Amino acid sequence: DVKVTQSSRYLVKRTGEKVFLECVQDMDHENMFWYRQDPGLGLRLIYFSYDVKMKEKGDIPEGYSVSREKKERFSLILESASTNQTSMYLCASSSPGRFRTDTQYFGPGTRLTVL
Amino acid sequence: AQTVTQSQPEMSVQEAETVTLSCTYDTSESDYYLFWYKQPPSRQMILVIRQEAYKQQNATENRFSVNFQKAAKSFSLKISDSQLGDAAMYFCAYSDTGGFKTIFGAGTRLFVKA
Repeated sequence: DVKVTQSSRYLVKRTGEKVFLECVQDMDHENMFWYRQDPGLGLRLIYFSYDVKMKEKGDIPEGYSVSREKKERFSLILESASTNQTSMYLCASSSPGRFRTDTQYFGPGTRLTVL
Repeated sequence: AQTVTQSQPEMSVQEAETVTLSCTYDTSESDYYLFWYKQPPSRQMILVIRQEAYKQQNATENRFSVNFQKAAKSFSLKISDSQLGDAAMYFCAYSDTGGFKTIFGAGTRLFVKA
């Protein structure tokens, strides 16, 4: 079974702090994704990566950056946390099928609260 | 741009009964994937079922089946013999040949009554 793990289930940070969220997958997937999940809005894509050191902006990249130095690890960085970044963050991975992405496998999520 | 709409924020069903969750989408593509994902409370999101648009036959997975109406751009999920463990948030999702993005609906929260 694919396993996607995230470094923390719950995180509380203060406004202005730099925050690191880490994601690791064990199935050699090429694609990795960071989403933000808010009630009534579904999942919104922050950034994705289709290869080591490659990254692309998603729909809401402002205030975030990412790093992918190894294939299995994809990090999300909040450069200066703000209260409007309080949310659930989901990491996912996938391999290409007929399309560039297929079924996604999700981590358990990190619920981040910024005070 | 592609969009996915789930018009039912919440649904409830009696244990052992059948429930149908609705999803509509908008696209100009002819070849794409559609997915239903399940997110149980405090647990990881998992794939429930997947449909390839070029396949006319509706996908089924045990008690879960879809009604895929390509012309109407409709993709509903039917859960038969509902169980307490089916209680979750369900997301409809779409992806195509255009790139890496998967578009998710806002979700439907399903409650199962004992």
